[in-house]
This record gives sequence, structure tokens and C-alpha cells, in this order.
Amino acid sequence: GQNIDQPTEMTATEGAIVQINCTYQTSGFNGLFWYQQHAGEAPTFLSYNVLDGLEEKGRFSSFLSRSKGYSYLLLKELQMKDSASYLCAVLDSNYQLIWGAGTKLIIKP
Amino acid sequence: GAGVSQSPRYKVAKRGQDVALRCDPISGHVSLFWYQQALGQGPEFLTYFQNEAQLDKSGLPSDRFFAERPEGSVSTLKIQRTQQEDSAVYLCASSLAGELSKPYEQYFGPGTRLTVT
Repeated sequence: GQNIDQPTEMTATEGAIVQINCTYQTSGFNGLFWYQQHAGEAPTFLSYNVLDGLEEKGRFSSFLSRSKGYSYLLLKELQMKDSASYLCAVLDSNYQLIWGAGTKLIIKP
Repeated sequence: GAGVSQSPRYKVAKRGQDVALRCDPISGHVSLFWYQQALGQGPEFLTYFQNEAQLDKSGLPSDRFFAERPEGSVSTLKIQRTQQEDSAVYLCASSLAGELSKPYEQYFGPGTRLTVT
């Protein structure tokens, strides 16, 4: 079966750095997405990786290792507004998005 | 605004009632997706349209669920004879298929929270 694993919840301090990991086992791979979802709101796109390596975009970076079936989202200089769920999703061989359950990130002052 | 819109935002239905959920995608977006999201979970794929063609409906949980996009723009997800297990947030997303910079980025609507009592 297809499986996306990410921690259920993480806590970090304002101004710090946090890394959210995601491991996946899917039938085929056509890229990995990270989305941010605030409570009661729609997911919003953060990043897309299809090749191995690190993609940096401002305070957020996303890393992919296809051989290990592993990705992480790195958030720097954390702000209170970063408190949200972070969803990892893989595009499988049928170009269907398979979603993880999300990691709830709690930022403390 | 130019984003994806969904209506109603909230719907309470009695068990056995039929409901219809509407999605207005971003103008010009070819692809449209419906997802079901339970509390504390990621979205689960329901169905996918490319223009008016429903190319994948493998995620629809039962034949009580039906989706259409007759003119390749607005889409409706219909649930017949609702059951309590249908309670969830129903998300619609659209995508500009073939965009080179972000080939498969999906833009989500705010969702419809369905509660079946």
C-alpha cells in the first residue's frame, strides 16, 4: 500500500529553527509537495521537489532524497504565525496526490 | 478575489438527506480535484476532472457520491442519502495543468464542512 509518515505534532520556540520530516512509500514518484494549513483554512502551497537536494525559499527550505524516500521541511526564524499543520504529499505514478496526516507545529514565545 | 471558492462553507444535514457542494475554480484552470478531509488528517482524494472529463473517480467512497463539471468550469459534488461517516471537510482544488514553473501546484478552496446528524 501507499504510505506517508510524518510526526503528529512538534513544538518549537519563536525565533528558532525546526525540521519536519516526511518518509514515503508510494507506487511511483512524480514529486513531493509541502503544504501549510492553518486551522479551519485551506492548504496553501509551500514547495515542490522532484530532484534530490535542497530547495530554499526565504525562511522555508525543503529537502528530498528519492533513494531514501525521505523529505524534510526546514523553517527558520520561526514566527508565531507559523503555527499551523504542515502536510507532506507525494504525486504517485498515476499523478494522484497521496497525503500525509500532517504535522501540527506549535510555536511558543 | 481570484481564488477557488466553495459554497456553502458549512452544511448540516440530517442522515438520509441529499446534499450538493459547489466549487468555483480559478478561471482558466484545467484540472479540478475534490478531496475529503477528516479532522486531524490529510486530504483524501475523491475525484479528478480535466476540463469537463472526469478522468479519475477511484477515490469516491461509494455510489452515493457523484461529481460533475458539465462545462469544464464549476463543479458540484453530490452526496445522496448522507450518513454520519460522511461528516468531514470537502476541499476543492484547481490546477493550471501544464504550467512549467510549478507543474502540479494545486490551489485549494476554503472547503465545505459537512456535518451529518
